[in-house]
Amino acid sequence: GAGVSQSPRYKVAKRGQDVALRCDPISGHVSLFWYQQALGQGPEFLTYFQNEAQLDKSGLPSDRFFAERPEGSVSTLKIQRTQQEDSAVYLCASSPTRRADTQYFGPGTRLTVL
Amino acid sequence: DQQVKQNSPSLSVQEGRISILNCDYTNSMFDYFLWYKKYPAEGPTFLISISSIKDKNEDGRFTVFLNKSAKHLSLHIVPSQPGDSAVYFCAASAMIYNQGGKLIFGQGTELSVKP
Repeated sequence: GAGVSQSPRYKVAKRGQDVALRCDPISGHVSLFWYQQALGQGPEFLTYFQNEAQLDKSGLPSDRFFAERPEGSVSTLKIQRTQQEDSAVYLCASSPTRRADTQYFGPGTRLTVL
Repeated sequence: DQQVKQNSPSLSVQEGRISILNCDYTNSMFDYFLWYKKYPAEGPTFLISISSIKDKNEDGRFTVFLNKSAKHLSLHIVPSQPGDSAVYFCAASAMIYNQGGKLIFGQGTELSVKP
């Protein structure tokens, strides 16, 4: 498949557990974004990578959220000590350029924290 | 502070008629606008975009209009088809951010096209 893929598609965690969400962007895409989408809302920006460099993490809601893209391809969003308010769909998007451009989204990971 | 607003949470139109979805923004630095379509349990799918140097962009049944002075854009779908039923998101970005253009999304409008 040529699109953005994410895994797992669904994740249920108990409050306090750590979770890791994976994103495989479109091959060759330079830019990678993470967004959080709460029920009934539009996606909200979390963080941005240009190749392996994390250039913007202004949207991460707390220091419990951490993202990496060590080789400039696959990215992982990690949430430590999950809380109920972390329940949301986490979307990954990639873009072929370094500038404002069309972003292509994966299907998302739905995280439910009990 | 909602920088991108879609004030209509839902819209219902008859098959074959025009669907008009509206979006307002407040940040005058936005210079690139996109519309995405989203089905349940799927990620947003890119539909059409427009740069601030244009006021209209057309792709098949989809046309996006940009009115910079009013900070308003709209998506026209003609003719509407039942398969167009989905949630539509307006999004904006700014080159000035110079960091890949993170997207600011509206809240979405759920379009229902009745056969």
